[in-house]
Amino acid sequence: NAGVTQTPKFRVLKTGQSMTLLCAQDMNHEYMYWYRQDPGMGLRLIHYSVGEGTTAKGEVPDGYNVSRLKKQNFLLGLESAAPSQTSVYFCASSQQPWRNTEAFFGQGTRLTVV
Amino acid sequence: KQEVTQIPAALSVPEGENLVLNCSFTDSAIYNLQWFRQDPGKGLTSLLLIQSSQREQTSGRLNASLDKSSGRSTLYIAASQPGDSATYLCAVILTGGGNKLTFGTGTQLKVEL
Repeated sequence: NAGVTQTPKFRVLKTGQSMTLLCAQDMNHEYMYWYRQDPGMGLRLIHYSVGEGTTAKGEVPDGYNVSRLKKQNFLLGLESAAPSQTSVYFCASSQQPWRNTEAFFGQGTRLTVV
Repeated sequence: KQEVTQIPAALSVPEGENLVLNCSFTDSAIYNLQWFRQDPGKGLTSLLLIQSSQREQTSGRLNASLDKSSGRSTLYIAASQPGDSATYLCAVILTGGGNKLTFGTGTQLKVEL
């Protein structure tokens, strides 16, 4: 059982380049989330999805776009990367909102923008 | 705005010691509070979830308590082991806060032989 898988695990981008981070879950979860983790700031919610075809903004959505075309996949896009987007990105999924049940996290993508 | 604070930021203890990690939050209107564990280079693993109506939850050597009125939660680890070394994060969901978990910055724990 793979759980939540993030691709890639590491990436270095030049300022202005674009890329897409892929999150895949095999637990048939409805809810999926993208977080970024920065030193001294904890994890902050970027975007989330409550089901296939839906997306919503989190706490720090600027500079990112997301898509949930298939229930098992949640994509995070950076159209024009900036050094401020250097961070570790985590994807998570849950069957219900986190109010009621635990969420499962991927192992993270370490992104460096130079 | 909800703020979640964890003190201390780092803690080192000898093996076998009982220890307490602290989490405080500014807005007591929470739906639940969760404790997570994060190992270096890895994702987060949920340890315990306490609903706002509960006072504590236990799992093995872990016990988490919640005092909403004072905005505090503690994670008690009994008989610590080197394998407990990790960063421990607490997070809260506000009532009416949708799906947004607000995380603390974590306590980095090292259990030494």
